[in-house]
Amino acid sequence: AQSVTQLDSQVPVFEEAPVELRCNYSSSVSVYLFWYVQYPNQGLQLLLKYLSGSTLVKGINGFEAEFNKSQTSFHLRKPSVHISDTAEYFCAVSDPRGKLIFGQGTELSVKP
Amino acid sequence: GAVVSQHPSWVICKSGTSVKIECRSLDFQATTMFWYRQFPKQSLMLMATSNEGSKATYEQGVEKDKFLINHASLTLSTLTVTSAHPEDSSFYICSARAARMNTEAFFGQGTRLTVV
Repeated sequence: AQSVTQLDSQVPVFEEAPVELRCNYSSSVSVYLFWYVQYPNQGLQLLLKYLSGSTLVKGINGFEAEFNKSQTSFHLRKPSVHISDTAEYFCAVSDPRGKLIFGQGTELSVKP
Repeated sequence: GAVVSQHPSWVICKSGTSVKIECRSLDFQATTMFWYRQFPKQSLMLMATSNEGSKATYEQGVEKDKFLINHASLTLSTLTVTSAHPEDSSFYICSARAARMNTEAFFGQGTRLTVV
């Protein structure tokens, strides 16, 4: 069975500071990994995904994530956050049928 | 990316009535659609997976007679909450995946259901 753990439920950070949102997964098979962002009362928007190849994945809005197989991690990073990055972030793993298993979510709160 | 449209974005209904939520893929054919439920401040919980032309596969604990899913065409899936009760109030989100895009699913905007 696959599972995803997001280690921080809330991450407060000041504007222009760097941020890392942590995600660990468990799976007995090869996985695809995703990060999604959700703004209040909206659906999910894909930030980035890891399918294969380079372990450093760059996404939209200046975010990037690094796939670490030995540590089963897929942490999301941004070198300098903006107020507009305030949102809920979800890490997810996909099984071969495309079924997504989500982490619990991390609320990123960017303060001026 | 591909566009998935979900309608309505919000709905208020009386207890005991039924509500239908539509999920449409606008620019691709969705062979598989997923329906999720999200409670406030919580993650998305997969309710069911539907493949075009076949019966939906429900996750454990989800009442199939309560949440009717129809995926009659390659661009439309519907979720009907039958005999809704206040505890069914939630945020419902659909996602759609095409056969040629088996690594990614695209999400609708979500539907806020409030049962009074």
